[in-house]
Amino acid sequence: SQKIEQNSEALNIQEGKTATLTCNYTNYSPAYLQWYRQDPGRGPVFLLLIRENEKEKRKERLKVTFDTTLKQSLFHITASQPADSATYLCALDKGSSNTGKLIFGQGTTLQVKP
Amino acid sequence: DTGVSQNPRHKITKRGQNVTFRCDPISEHNRLYWYRQTLGQGPEFLTYFQNEAQLEKSRLLSDRFSAERPKGSFSTLEIQRTEQGDSAMYLCASSLARGSSYNEQFFGPGTRLTVL
Repeated sequence: SQKIEQNSEALNIQEGKTATLTCNYTNYSPAYLQWYRQDPGRGPVFLLLIRENEKEKRKERLKVTFDTTLKQSLFHITASQPADSATYLCALDKGSSNTGKLIFGQGTTLQVKP
Repeated sequence: DTGVSQNPRHKITKRGQNVTFRCDPISEHNRLYWYRQTLGQGPEFLTYFQNEAQLEKSRLLSDRFSAERPKGSFSTLEIQRTEQGDSAMYLCASSLARGSSYNEQFFGPGTRLTVL
């Protein structure tokens, strides 16, 4: 069956450290993968998109890697701040057509302590 | 504020009643998506529109659910004869799709439905 999995346990780190979140998927061949941030009671907010032919993408303190052989994406936040505390969702397309329809993981909650 | 608005933000209803939610996407976006999210889970795809055409509907949706996007602008999602299992956050998202390019989706704040 098709699955997309993120660490279900919350990640607690100290301010200033690098947070690394994992997204694994099975039985998909996505053309791209996206990462979103979601705060309680609000809709997800887009952060980064990485295509299947890209290994790494950066935006300010954020870095995403995409390994289609391992079927895994890693999301890094460097120099983390308490304001980075939120739930982070990975999402991928099903790869069969350009519908833009996203399949989401369950999200990983990040808590950055001052 | 992403530019996508949803109304109402909260809806409490009794089992068996009908409810309707509205989504106003970013005006130039041609695609509009509806998702449902329950506590501790990621959003689940329900349906999507390209302009006014509804192109796909999830098998998760029963016949009690219907969505429209008249004139390719705002969209409504109606749930008839609500059940307690329908309680969730209903999210709307829009995007601008051109050919095979991939674009991010802009989500609204969601409508939280509670069925008593």
